[in-house]
Amino acid sequence: DADVTQTPRNRITKTGKRIMLECSQTKGHDRMYWYRQDPGLGLRLIYYSFDVKDINKGEISDGYSVSRQAQAKFSLSLESAIPNQTALYFCATSAQGSSPLHFGNGTRLTVT
Amino acid sequence: AQKITQTQPGMFVQEKEAVTLDCTYDTSDQSYGLFWYKQPSSGEMIFLIYQGSYDEQNATEGRYSLNFQKARKSANLVISASQLGDSAMYFCAMREGAVTGGGNKLTFGTGTQLKVEL
Repeated sequence: DADVTQTPRNRITKTGKRIMLECSQTKGHDRMYWYRQDPGLGLRLIYYSFDVKDINKGEISDGYSVSRQAQAKFSLSLESAIPNQTALYFCATSAQGSSPLHFGNGTRLTVT
Repeated sequence: AQKITQTQPGMFVQEKEAVTLDCTYDTSDQSYGLFWYKQPSSGEMIFLIYQGSYDEQNATEGRYSLNFQKARKSANLVISASQLGDSAMYFCAMREGAVTGGGNKLTFGTGTQLKVEL
């Protein structure tokens, strides 16, 4: 079983719809992150959270919001989806210290 | 300025040969960390290797090594004895600042697509 689980794996939605991408982890990590990947641009940080009561904006937070429902759960919402939010979205976790990010398998989102 | 620069969009290497993937970085912090990830065509992100800015030895993990040249601000990934399964996108990433301060927020480069040929 995956340590970092993202649902759904694929989603097609229409412009203007509200959608939520979910992430849960069994690694016991405090730190969780949402990234998006676009071809030719690498991965860019949307939001991150170092514990349940801590939420921080990343490089490209406009148009997104997050909720840290529990240590193990971190959801990303698009309040009103637009086509340029079409991307591959990754959730990641990390322990404290210099440990690497552990990524989920990604959610491929298409906004038509 | 780009914080992480990967200048090779694509590379080819013969099976069993060594290959170097370039990464340069830009930071004014004294404490930072450098990571390499592999992304196969299936899409998952796989951590390969880590180098801390204060580490005196170059990091190695099996067939992967990191050629860390601090003065030149480069952190190139070397893959020895390439295998067909090494064909993937490779990303260099950096954590700026001390770990206790910034956690592990990573800034990623744009990636290098590696193709291993017979």
